[in-house]
Amino acid sequence: LAKTTQPISMDSYEGQEVNITCSHNNIATNDYITWYQQFPSQGPRFIIQGYKTKVTNEVASLFIPADRKSSTLSLPRVSLSDTAVYYCLVVGSSNTGKLIFGQGTTLQVKP
Amino acid sequence: EADIYQTPRYLVIGTGKKITLECSQTMGHDKMYWYQQDPGMELHLIHYSYGVNSTEKGDLSSESTVSRIRTEHFPLTLESARPSHTSQYLCASSETSPFKGNEQFFGPGTRLTVL
Repeated sequence: LAKTTQPISMDSYEGQEVNITCSHNNIATNDYITWYQQFPSQGPRFIIQGYKTKVTNEVASLFIPADRKSSTLSLPRVSLSDTAVYYCLVVGSSNTGKLIFGQGTTLQVKP
Repeated sequence: EADIYQTPRYLVIGTGKKITLECSQTMGHDKMYWYQQDPGMELHLIHYSYGVNSTEKGDLSSESTVSRIRTEHFPLTLESARPSHTSQYLCASSETSPFKGNEQFFGPGTRLTVL
């Protein structure tokens, strides 16, 4: 499983767009990039998943460059309730289901 | 809407007690998982199952055991609890397909304290 590197923490203000970048230099051809969100004392929640280019859903956008060695999670117009830990994961297509959650990025949204 | 349940939500017990943490899901998922997470720390996979009568140990060694007799039920048991078992235990489930299977649905967790 490819190792991921992301900032430990980020601060933002309400209404701003937040971009969290994740590096995964050793990503394999068949790997997917998946992002989860976790609030304190709760289980993680799936946000978005992609393989290449851009993926958008009602919560976020995921940008993946052609070399796929990094990815950027974009949260538009964050609110205080977006304060959480965000995890970037690389998952093999064989999908044993063994997700490796690293430290994640703690996003603090300020008023 | 994810339907995965864990009971109890909080448990305080004494050393040496046997406990079972319950996890049930109503989504018909074949794959189920148990994670352990200390406050402010990373989640670690301790057990997983691909279906009935299938159980495997995860990446973090755990003294707990699991069983999968029914698709919807994946209980975790500690035969003799110790203070080192104090942690939050999170159960999750997912579909089997390679793409959809990366979306795991998590329960609310059980916060275990062993005195």
